Amino acid sequence: GDSVTQMEGPVTLSEEAFLTINCTYTATGYPSLFWYVQYPGEGLQLLLKATKADDKGSNKGFEATYRKETTSFHLEKGSVQVSDSAVYFCALSDQGGANNLFFGTGTRLTVIP
Amino acid sequence: DTAVSQTPKYLVTQMGNDKSIKCEQNLGHDTMYWYKQDSKKFLKIMFSYNNKELIINETVPNRFSPKSPDKAHLNLHINSLELGDSAVYFCASSQEWDRSYEQYFGPGTRLTVT
Repeated sequence: GDSVTQMEGPVTLSEEAFLTINCTYTATGYPSLFWYVQYPGEGLQLLLKATKADDKGSNKGFEATYRKETTSFHLEKGSVQVSDSAVYFCALSDQGGANNLFFGTGTRLTVIP
Repeated sequence: DTAVSQTPKYLVTQMGNDKSIKCEQNLGHDTMYWYKQDSKKFLKIMFSYNNKELIINETVPNRFSPKSPDKAHLNLHINSLELGDSAVYFCASSQEWDRSYEQYFGPGTRLTVT
């Protein structure tokens, strides 16, 4: 079945450090891939997405590239800020027409000044 | 205006009780969902509801029953609550059923069963 494996957390970085959160997936066919972010006490918000191989999603300085050959969708940001502290979820939506999201376990990021 | 809203935000109840969580979206979306987030933050789909067609996740106990009075509302009713039902429940919606559409999440309802 479809699944997402996400880098274990928590991750603690200093402000302006480089961020990478690894995400790999298992799916039949060509899923859509997403990164969602959950700020403390809030629901999830879409951060970025990619719907086909080699697409790059980007938003708020975050980027992720859909790599079919490595079944990966790693999240990167060149310079993190304290306000980026949150839980980040990698997710996929399978090809079969359904829009059910399969989530990774989430990675908690804390950025310290 | 809140896009996806849920009530209540917190729900504390005893084992064996029956409770409901309400969800409303004002985005004009066709599809709505319920997710369960456990204490380790793991999120799992429970139900999808598209244009009056309910897609049931077979791993969800039949004590859980979604009800949709109209396209803008998808409520979750839970019978005979158990300790293991304690979690945060998120409602979400998307424009259509297609896999590429973004899902918009509500703020969550934290259910505690004692």
